[in-house]
This record gives sequence, C-alpha cells and structure tokens, in this order.
Amino acid sequence: DAGVTQSPTHLIKTRGQQVTLRCSPISGHKSVSWYQQVLGQGPQFIFQYYEKEERGRGNFPDRFSARQFPNYSSELNVNALLLGDSALYLCASSLARPSSYNSPLHFGNGTRLTVT
Amino acid sequence: SQQGEEDPQALSIQEGENATMNCSYKTSINNLQWYRQNSGRGLVHLILIRSNEREKHSGRLRVTLDTSKKSSSLLITASRAADTASYFCATDYGNNRLAFGKGNQVVVIP
Repeated sequence: DAGVTQSPTHLIKTRGQQVTLRCSPISGHKSVSWYQQVLGQGPQFIFQYYEKEERGRGNFPDRFSARQFPNYSSELNVNALLLGDSALYLCASSLARPSSYNSPLHFGNGTRLTVT
Repeated sequence: SQQGEEDPQALSIQEGENATMNCSYKTSINNLQWYRQNSGRGLVHLILIRSNEREKHSGRLRVTLDTSKKSSSLLITASRAADTASYFCATDYGNNRLAFGKGNQVVVIP
C-alpha cells in the first residue's frame, strides 16, 4: 500500500507570493495533520483535519489555511509568504479520530519550501 | 510551550555500541512517541508508550517512561550504521496532536 504522498517535493517562492501544498493520506485514513519543520528544529503542529472538518489549529497566523476533501486528501495554503516560512512542511495521516489517542502518525516525506 | 526536550542533542557512537537518548516534558500526557528522521525526510514512527506503561520494547529499541519525573528514554542496542538519523520524542496530550522536541542527531560510525 502507498504511504502518505505529498507534492511537490520542492518549491521556491518569492516573498509575498502564495503557495499550495498537497497531501494524500494512506488509504482508509480519515485524519490528516500538517506540521512545519524549520531547519534544526522539531516539527510544529499547524492543522488537524478529520472527516473534512478542522479539529485543531496550532499557533500559526491566519496566512495559513487548509482544507480536506471528500477523498480525505488535503491542501495547505500559505498566503503572503515571508522568509521565515521557509521550512519542510510535513503531512501526516492517522487511522484514529482526534479524540481517540494512542494512535501513531504516518508522515509523508514533506515539501521543502524555500522563500527568497 | 509544552514540548518534549531531548538530551543530549548530538551523539556519535561506534557500530555495535548502545545509544541512549532522554526526553522530558512539562505536563500530563496520554502517550509519548519516538520518531526517526533520515536526512530531512519524513518521520518514521518507532514506538508509542502509554502513560500507564513504564517500559516497552520493539526489536533493538527499548523505551522507558517515568511519569513522576516527566521523562522518557530511548535505548538503541547494538547500533548499526543504518541507525544514523535524527530521533524525536513527541508528546500527545490527548487529541492526537503531537508536540515534538528539538531532536537528537545520532551518528553511528562503522
């Protein structure tokens, strides 16, 4: 079975532009989460979606938005890009509902975003 | 913020030796998880230990959890060159959203 897939793998954007990142979860997984990993740091939680509804949001500005589609794939959008948005953006899927803990996350290989 | 913090942050060992990493957190958790990351790629789940468990094994991995000290340790026994990676602990406070530490870079020298 295919794992979590993310596209594109690399992206270079200019300050002020907008970017859309895509994620396809493991088949059967209804929960998708997004994380930002700045170089040298651990991932930081951005969003959590389950059954197409936002179930959680991390401490990120409103420039960040996301959605989940009926097939459970997801998009992360970032508007008005800043240099500090340069990072590896990771998508993870899970079999469990957000309220049902003790379930590991399955991560994709991420999208490397560089803002110049 | 309520994040795991690993200690030490960089470890260099010879193949065959054991590697131990520690992680601390600040408030009560539902579970603690360890992940591995190779060269900036995606994270791979290694092991999950629930708050009511004290020790867990998976192959060459051994994880302990001390909720009274709010700490956990990951032991990799008989390390191999392929174990070279960054290792992260992550705490789950009950909603399947993980708070990650800064990570441990482990280099296993053949």
